[in-house]
Amino acid sequence: AQSVTQPDIHITVSEGASLELRCNYSYGATPYLFWYVQSPGQGLQLLLKYFSGDTLVQGIKGFEAEFKRSQSSFNLRKPSVHWSDAAEYFCAVGASGGYQKVTFGTGTKLQVIP
Amino acid sequence: EAGVTQFPSHSVIEKGQTVTLRCDPISGHDNLYWYRRVMGKEIKFLLHFVKESKQDESGMPNNRFLAERTGGTYSTLKVQPAELEDSGVYFCASSRVTGAKYEQYFGPGTRLTVT
Repeated sequence: AQSVTQPDIHITVSEGASLELRCNYSYGATPYLFWYVQSPGQGLQLLLKYFSGDTLVQGIKGFEAEFKRSQSSFNLRKPSVHWSDAAEYFCAVGASGGYQKVTFGTGTKLQVIP
Repeated sequence: EAGVTQFPSHSVIEKGQTVTLRCDPISGHDNLYWYRRVMGKEIKFLLHFVKESKQDESGMPNNRFLAERTGGTYSTLKVQPAELEDSGVYFCASSRVTGAKYEQYFGPGTRLTVT
């Protein structure tokens, strides 16, 4: 069965600083990988996804993520954080073979300070 | 296009009572999913409907939980009787196409508090 680990429960960065949120997954084959964001009072919104091909994927709101098979990682990055990026971020993995449910990590809460 | 809506946004009930959560998916989305997040833990899959049929209900915790999707439109999730450990945020999501590859659109969630 697949699993996802987000080792950082809470991260604080200054506005304008760069950001990297870590995600490690466990799955036997090539996974489908996702990053979702949840702002207060909102549902989860898909930031980006990886299925195959180029291992660096671009998403909305200036986010990108890089799939590294050798490290089983799919870290999320943003070069310059804005105050509006304060939210909770979830990494998720889906199996590429047949129908499988999507498995989420425990989330990372991002706080942005002026 | 309206997004996924959930009702109520927040429910506080006593242990032993019954609560019914409702989810209206995006129009035309045959796939409807229920998830739950308990107190800062991961978001866990509960079940998946394709139209009115249950495709996968492997995540349902026990038989106190009953999900329905009559007519293949909106869905309800009933908890009867509720226990303290049922507290959490219940998310609903929908997608047009079946499969883990396809984006699921999430509702804002229902926060359930059992006292």
